[in-house]
Amino acid sequence: AQSVTQLGSHVSVSEGALVLLRCNYSSSVPPYLFWYVQYPNQGLQLLLKYTSAATLVKGINGFEAEFKKSETSFHLTKPSAHMSDAAEYFCAVTSGGGADGLTFGKGTHLIIQP
Amino acid sequence: DSGVTQTPKHLITATGQRVTLRCSPRSGDLSVYWYQQSLDQGLQFLIQYYNGEERAKGNILERFSAQQFPDLHSELNLSSLELGDSALYFCASSPSGGNTIYFGEGSWLTVV
Repeated sequence: AQSVTQLGSHVSVSEGALVLLRCNYSSSVPPYLFWYVQYPNQGLQLLLKYTSAATLVKGINGFEAEFKKSETSFHLTKPSAHMSDAAEYFCAVTSGGGADGLTFGKGTHLIIQP
Repeated sequence: DSGVTQTPKHLITATGQRVTLRCSPRSGDLSVYWYQQSLDQGLQFLIQYYNGEERAKGNILERFSAQQFPDLHSELNLSSLELGDSALYFCASSPSGGNTIYFGEGSWLTVV
């Protein structure tokens, strides 16, 4: 069975500050890991994914995430927050091939303070 | 735009009724997934179809059913609706052998 834990249902940062959203996973097989973003009243947009290639993954909008097997983590970071980054962020895991769908974390609401 | 199309975008219906949500996957994608997003349950995987066949089942209620047609579009049928079924229902698709799932904009269902 797979599971994802996102620490912090709400994270607030100032504009221009570092964004760090935490994600820990549990998987009995090598995982594929994803971050999705959901803007208000919109669908889920893929930010980035880890599929066993490079452990540091770069995504859209300046976001990146690092896969750390020893820590079972896949934290999402962005060096400098922008007001447009305010959204809900979801970490998700699958065993690969999409065969069993994605298991999502509960989400982290990112608030950007001016 | 992910390429996954869902209709209707919004739907309001009464308890006890039945509704059908429709999904057109990205061109060429053989897998279709349905997810439910609600405030209390978060994002829950409901069911997956691959090229017309059911591939995996998640937390789908017996009152709900889905199918994928030969042209690969899919429908999610929700019957005997209850207030608690009010949620955002997402369809998603992925290519054969692919590991990335692309989501549609969702269908907002409100049961009154």
